[in-house]
Amino acid sequence: SQQGEEDPQALSIQEGENATMNCSYKTSINNLQWYRQNSGRGLVHLILIRSNEREKHSGRLRVTLDTSKKSSSLLITASRAADTASYFCATANSGGSNYKLTFGKGTLLTVNP
Amino acid sequence: GAGVSQTPSNKVTEKGKYVELRCDPISGHTALYWYRQSLGQGPEFLIYFQGTGAADDSGLPNDRFFAVRPEGSVSTLKIQRTERGDSAVYLCASSLDKGVKQFFGPGTRLTVL
Repeated sequence: SQQGEEDPQALSIQEGENATMNCSYKTSINNLQWYRQNSGRGLVHLILIRSNEREKHSGRLRVTLDTSKKSSSLLITASRAADTASYFCATANSGGSNYKLTFGKGTLLTVNP
Repeated sequence: GAGVSQTPSNKVTEKGKYVELRCDPISGHTALYWYRQSLGQGPEFLIYFQGTGAADDSGLPNDRFFAVRPEGSVSTLKIQRTERGDSAVYLCASSLDKGVKQFFGPGTRLTVL
């Protein structure tokens, strides 16, 4: 079953603009991770944020986590055509099953040159 | 170093046949996972290995699916009596331990005719 729900399902922007994607989930989590996928194949890990963290940065990426609202957002600043991909959030539950990632359906980001 | 590799990259088979999908994890990673991704969906968890043993196989859809990891490294996902509904991309991932970021392979696209 899918836990995370990304919003929007699709996003189209111009190069240089910022892109924001949101993720909502339902259960208590140990951590939340964002992945990128090109052409429906392998996923690339972008960033992991733990349940006791509120914000994390990595290069042009900024992730926030609000555990009270069970939501997260991924911001990509100064987007490039190469950022075009599907982006997924994945949650790892708290407790003993923190190895099992539950993915949403993803946001398809298109960055137009 | 080398990432997670999966073979074959594509597999076309006929309904009712048996298939094996192989995963070579990153060297030294004790945790290994299989996920399945259908078109337009996020990956769904199938099974998790810690070392040689399947610690959680709760995601396997039925008893036609089986996976092994006999020496704690390479893993094989086996599907008996394939059905058209088994068509999907099968993704393998590995991690140093559970609860940390997972590194995904490029996937095997299985098509059952």
